[in-house]
Amino acid sequence: KQEVTQIPAALSVPEGENLVLNCSFTDSAIYNLQWFRQDPGKGLTSLLLIQSSQREQTSGRLNASLDKSSGRSTLYIAASQPGDSATYLCAVRPSNSGYALNFGKGTSLLVTP
Amino acid sequence: DVKVTQSSRYLVKRTGEKVFLECVQDMDHENMFWYRQDPGLGLRLIYFSYDVKMKEKGDIPEGYSVSREKKERFSLILESASTNQTSMYLCASSFTGNEQYFGPGTRLTVT
Repeated sequence: KQEVTQIPAALSVPEGENLVLNCSFTDSAIYNLQWFRQDPGKGLTSLLLIQSSQREQTSGRLNASLDKSSGRSTLYIAASQPGDSATYLCAVRPSNSGYALNFGKGTSLLVTP
Repeated sequence: DVKVTQSSRYLVKRTGEKVFLECVQDMDHENMFWYRQDPGLGLRLIYFSYDVKMKEKGDIPEGYSVSREKKERFSLILESASTNQTSMYLCASSFTGNEQYFGPGTRLTVT
């Protein structure tokens, strides 16, 4: 079964810093990879979707990269703001086991003013 | 705008009760999913459906069943609720190959 790991589990940074969140997965046979944001007690908000044929996706201050062969993805957040404080989840859709996603356990981000 | 709604944000039920959680999406997605989320365990797939009346078991289907009679609606049923089913339940939907959209979640407490 595909295992997804996110490091670090928690991160605290001062406002304005650029930061990188890491995601690794054990099987490179993926269909796509998705990054989500989750606020406490809430559902998941989709941030970026990267198809297996793509290397990166950008949305505003967010940039996600994918290196399928090494089983890694990174989420880069530029000029962090207190409103970015949340848990960030990485999820992969394996290419050989249906439609569902395998999730990492998330990185809890705190951006301090 | 994309919208997935769940019938309740918070629910408290007693052990042994039959519990229905409902999820509705307005995007004409063919795929719908039920996950549960627990501290330290992350999100785990319970069931998913790729078409009306079609369903597939996920990683942890025991104690649950599902129903999809209409394309927009996917129901999760706890046949006889137990305390170990206390959790956050999240519904999602997608077009095949595309991103999944999640609802706000239902926090279920079984006492």
